[in-house]
Amino acid sequence: NAGVMQNPRHLVRRRGQEARLRCSPMKGHSHVYWYRQLPEEGLKFMVYLQKENIIDESGMPKERFSAEFPKEGPSILRIQQVVRGDSAAYFCASKGGTNEKLFFGSGTQLSVL
Amino acid sequence: SQQGEEDPQALSIQEGENATMNCSYKTSINNLQWYRQNSGRGLVHLILIRSNEREKHSGRLRVTLDTSKKSSSLLITASRAADTASYFCATDAWGGSQGNLIFGKGTKLSVKP
Repeated sequence: NAGVMQNPRHLVRRRGQEARLRCSPMKGHSHVYWYRQLPEEGLKFMVYLQKENIIDESGMPKERFSAEFPKEGPSILRIQQVVRGDSAAYFCASKGGTNEKLFFGSGTQLSVL
Repeated sequence: SQQGEEDPQALSIQEGENATMNCSYKTSINNLQWYRQNSGRGLVHLILIRSNEREKHSGRLRVTLDTSKKSSSLLITASRAADTASYFCATDAWGGSQGNLIFGKGTKLSVKP
């Protein structure tokens, strides 16, 4: 029973390019969360999605960032026109039903040159 | 500002000793969770304590919650080198969307063999 799968593990982009981060939740989980972590910091909530719906995007920057969780396939966090300040580790987590426990993926380390 | 703040920021102990980490938060909560993060990896859920609980045990872990002081502590007894990791508390804001967990900056624990 695979856990939360994130890819790529490392992503290098030049300023102005687009970054696409993928997350496949645990089997049977329909709730997906994206968090961002800067070095030596805790995780900052970005967005909460259920299948085909954005439930809470209060932590996501209004511009350049978008997220989706389609009916089929992984959740995608998309960052357009990346800047150096976007460099961080991006973690996806999932949960099922009413369970409050989150299961995290290993993260995608985004480096913007 | 952070909802959860861990204390101390870093803790170094010898194998076999106990490790105590504290967490303070600001608003009313439904529950408080503790997670562990090994370097470069995702977070792993350790234990959840609800707002109406005062103490909870899981193996070598003991968590307390004092809602009047808005604080929690995590005790790891008989520590092992494998316990070396960063430990984060996370709270859900009362009335917030489930999964919008607010993490502190963490306590970096180093257990020396």
